[in-house]
Amino acid sequence: QVQLVQAGAEVKKPGASVKVYCKASGSSFISHDINWVRQAPGQGPEWMGWINPQSHNTGYAQKFQGRVTMTWNTSISSVSMELSSLKFEDTAVYYCVYSISSGDYGFDPWGQGTLVTVSS
Amino acid sequence: DIQMTQSPSSLSASVGDTVTITCRASESISTYLHWYQQKPGKAPNLLIYAASNLHSGVPSRFSGSGSGTDFTLTISSLQPEDFATYYCQQSYNTPRTFGQGTRVEFK
Repeated sequence: QVQLVQAGAEVKKPGASVKVYCKASGSSFISHDINWVRQAPGQGPEWMGWINPQSHNTGYAQKFQGRVTMTWNTSISSVSMELSSLKFEDTAVYYCVYSISSGDYGFDPWGQGTLVTVSS
Repeated sequence: DIQMTQSPSSLSASVGDTVTITCRASESISTYLHWYQQKPGKAPNLLIYAASNLHSGVPSRFSGSGSGTDFTLTISSLQPEDFATYYCQQSYNTPRTFGQGTRVEFK
C-alpha cells in the first residue's frame, strides 16, 4: 500500500521559487509514477507533471515547462517539486499523487496537499 | 490537449435520489477515464477507474459507464455523505486533464 505524506504550507513572494516535498512509502511505489497536481482556490485540479522514482524520468505539462523541476531523492525517499518565477496565480494547494505508469488505474493515493500562497 | 467537459456544473438532489453526471472528451480516449469525489478542504478520492471499475472500498451505489468520448457517473440512492464535487479525468495521454467539476448539492 503506497502512502504519500506532505508538509503543511509555504508563503512566497512573486518571482521567488518554492520547493514542495512528498515522502513516499510502501510496496512497489518506486516502480511507477508520482505526479503533481495543483488546485487553485475554487478551481478544478490541474496536472503539472510526473516523475518515476526508479528511472528518474520526468514529464511536464507544456504550461509549466521551463518553470518546474521534479526530483527524486533516494536517501530520504521523497520527491520534490520546485516551481520558479512564482506569480500570484500560482497560489494553490499542491498535491503529490501516485499512478500506475500505464495510466489504467487513475490517481490514487493522494498526499494531503501543501498550500502555497504567493503574496507580496 | 484533450478537453474534458462535464455536465451539469451543479445539481440539487435529495437523499435517496439517483444522480447522473456526464463527461465528454474532445477526442476518443478509449476507457482511460476516471472519476473522483472531493469534499471541501480534502484531496480528491478515486471512485471509478478505467470508466467502469469500482475502486476498492467505494460503495456499490457508485457506477460508471462509457467509452470513446462519452462517459457517465451514476450515484444510486444518494446518501448524505455523497454531497460533494465530482471530477472526471483522462489518462489516455499527457497532459492528464480533468473536467471542471460537478457540484452535488442538497435540495
